[in-house]
Amino acid sequence: AQKVTQAQTEISVVEKEDVTLDCVYETRDTTYYLFWYKQPPSGELVFLIRRNSFDEQNEISGRYSWNFQKSTSSFNFTITASQVVDSAVYFCALSELNTNAGKSTFGDGTTLTVKP
Amino acid sequence: DSGVTQTPKHLITATGQRVTLRCSPRSGDLSVYWYQQSLDQGLQFLIQYYNGEERAKGNILERFSAQQFPDLHSELNLSSLELGDSALYFCASSARGVGSPLHFGNGTRLTVT
Repeated sequence: AQKVTQAQTEISVVEKEDVTLDCVYETRDTTYYLFWYKQPPSGELVFLIRRNSFDEQNEISGRYSWNFQKSTSSFNFTITASQVVDSAVYFCALSELNTNAGKSTFGDGTTLTVKP
Repeated sequence: DSGVTQTPKHLITATGQRVTLRCSPRSGDLSVYWYQQSLDQGLQFLIQYYNGEERAKGNILERFSAQQFPDLHSELNLSSLELGDSALYFCASSARGVGSPLHFGNGTRLTVT
């Protein structure tokens, strides 16, 4: 069965600090997809990034970077030089190719608070 | 703007009542998903439709039902409502299914009193 664990329930940092959000997943499929979504205080859920199981290349987009490691079943998300606008709940999600018809299973989310 | 439209934005109703939540997916998206977000249970997958047919079912109660119409909009029907059904209900759509990111609507906040 697919499972996503975000062990950090809440993280609080001061502006300009770097912060890493952890995500550990479980799957029996060899082909799967990992996602990060952001839910700001306004409530909408916004897609940030997708990775497939065959692409372990790390990605950097501005202040955001993602580290995918199959050996440890982790897909961690780092925000560099955090800003107050980064305050949100961040969800990691997993979608398997061969089971569950591709539905995404979400972790419980990590609430990030960036203080000025 | 994700392109996914959910109505209504807020809904307040009494226990025992029935409500219908509506979702219009992004133009061109064939898959529609319904998720429930409550404070103590995070984002729970309820059900998925693809081009009018039910594709996957999650932890959806028997009191809840959904359908996707020929124009691809979807409705989630919640009946015999209980206090515990109070939550944020999200609809999402995707282009294909597996591997496609979900694009979420703004959600419907349901309050059962």
